[in-house]
Amino acid sequence: DTAVSQTPKYLVTQMGNDKSIKCEQNLGHDTMYWYKQDSKKFLKIMFSYNNKELIINETVPNRFSPKSPDKAHLNLHINSLELGDSAVYFCASSPGGLLYGYTFGSGTRLTVV
Amino acid sequence: RKEVEQDPGPFNVPEGATVAFNCTYSNSASQSFFWYRQDCRKEPKLLMSVYSSGNEDGRFTAQLNRASQYISLLIRDSKLSDSATYLCVVTPSGTYKYIFGTGTRLKVLA
Repeated sequence: DTAVSQTPKYLVTQMGNDKSIKCEQNLGHDTMYWYKQDSKKFLKIMFSYNNKELIINETVPNRFSPKSPDKAHLNLHINSLELGDSAVYFCASSPGGLLYGYTFGSGTRLTVV
Repeated sequence: RKEVEQDPGPFNVPEGATVAFNCTYSNSASQSFFWYRQDCRKEPKLLMSVYSSGNEDGRFTAQLNRASQYISLLIRDSKLSDSATYLCVVTPSGTYKYIFGTGTRLKVLA
C-alpha cells in the first residue's frame, strides 16, 4: 500500500492548458503539503492544509489553486499553464506539529511545451 | 542570505570513507531540524531528525550547533548505496513550514 500517492506521475501539456494533480494519503495524517522542485533541485513549499483548512499559502501565482475535500486528499489545479511551471510537484503529509518529518509522494513531473 | 544553505558538492569519496556535511541556517529561533535523502528522480525520504544533544542512527550521526547556527551529518564507513543528495530541513520559529536546503550531492566510489 502506497502511503502518499500522486497521480499522474508524468504530465506533458501545452501552454495555456488547465491541469490537475491529485494526492491521497492513507497514513491518517492531519497535514498535507504541495512542494515544487525546479530544475535546480530546489524544493519550495507552495501550500499546506491542516484537516481541510489552508494554513500555508506561499507567494504562488493565483493560477495555482489547491483543494482539500477531506484530510486524506489534497489536489492541485493549475490554470493557463506556462513554460516556467515545468517542474516536479511533490505532495507530502505529516501528523502535524514540528516534531515529525514529512512522507512524500513519488512526485508528478510536469512538462509544459 | 538564504534561509538554509548547503554546499552543493559533489563530494566524491571512496567506499569505507567517513564524510561530513554541514548546513547553515539564518533564523536563530529555528525549532526543528531534519536530514532527508533524495535519490535521482525520486522523492525525498526522511533520514533522521536532529536533536539538540546530537543523535546517532547506525553509521549516521547528526549534530546541532545552535550558537553557530548549523547542523551536520556524519556518515561513517560509506557504502555505494549512500550515493544520493542529502537535504537539510529547518523549521523557522513561528511557522509550520519546513524550509529545505538545496542539497549536497554525495558519490561513493568503488
